[in-house]
Amino acid sequence: DQQVKQNSPSLSVQEGRISILNCDYTNSMFDYFLWYKKYPAEGPTFLISISSIKDKNEDGRFTVFLNKSAKHLSLHIVPSQPGDSAVYFCAAGNNRKLIWGLGTSLAVNP
Amino acid sequence: DTAVSQTPKYLVTQMGNDKSIKCEQNLGHDTMYWYKQDSKKFLKIMFSYNNKELIINETVPNRFSPKSPDKAHLNLHINSLELGDSAVYFCASSQRVAHSYEQYFGPGTRLTVT
Repeated sequence: DQQVKQNSPSLSVQEGRISILNCDYTNSMFDYFLWYKKYPAEGPTFLISISSIKDKNEDGRFTVFLNKSAKHLSLHIVPSQPGDSAVYFCAAGNNRKLIWGLGTSLAVNP
Repeated sequence: DTAVSQTPKYLVTQMGNDKSIKCEQNLGHDTMYWYKQDSKKFLKIMFSYNNKELIINETVPNRFSPKSPDKAHLNLHINSLELGDSAVYFCASSQRVAHSYEQYFGPGTRLTVT
């Protein structure tokens, strides 16, 4: 039973436009949410996080939005750059454990 | 100056063999993890150690045994390797702070069992 779902396996965006990656979860006990970025043959790299008591967190070009009532979070990247092309994982934390989504492969085209 | 390192990066071995993967972190973190990423790309926690004490032990076959000689090292030993053990294994570390789940990952070890 997947507690964290990323329903879009892939996304293609034009350079300079906004990339929106989505994530849904089922467990209302999750208290922390994170986005990781992964390049091929490398480990995931932490990107941005949000506590369940907030609804938005921004860091440069990256913004994460949390909608607790819908059990949904999204990552906005604006403007998108070719170097942003990677797999993005959503992860949710509860009781010191992270549950991961399957990832969305983002391609930013020049 | 690599933060989390794993050796080896690639490991090809035959069924029935015993192998170890090593992990070291120089971030001063007190918690380390082993994850398995299978062919379906699921990243799943296997074990977690905090200050050399096992705190997370998911449903993993007994053939997998983690060992943490100190806070900076967490090794994974696998006995009697099976075809289904083929996967990428990631080591990660974090500092156990309230309301923080940020983990830092190694580059992964791609294990292929033939």
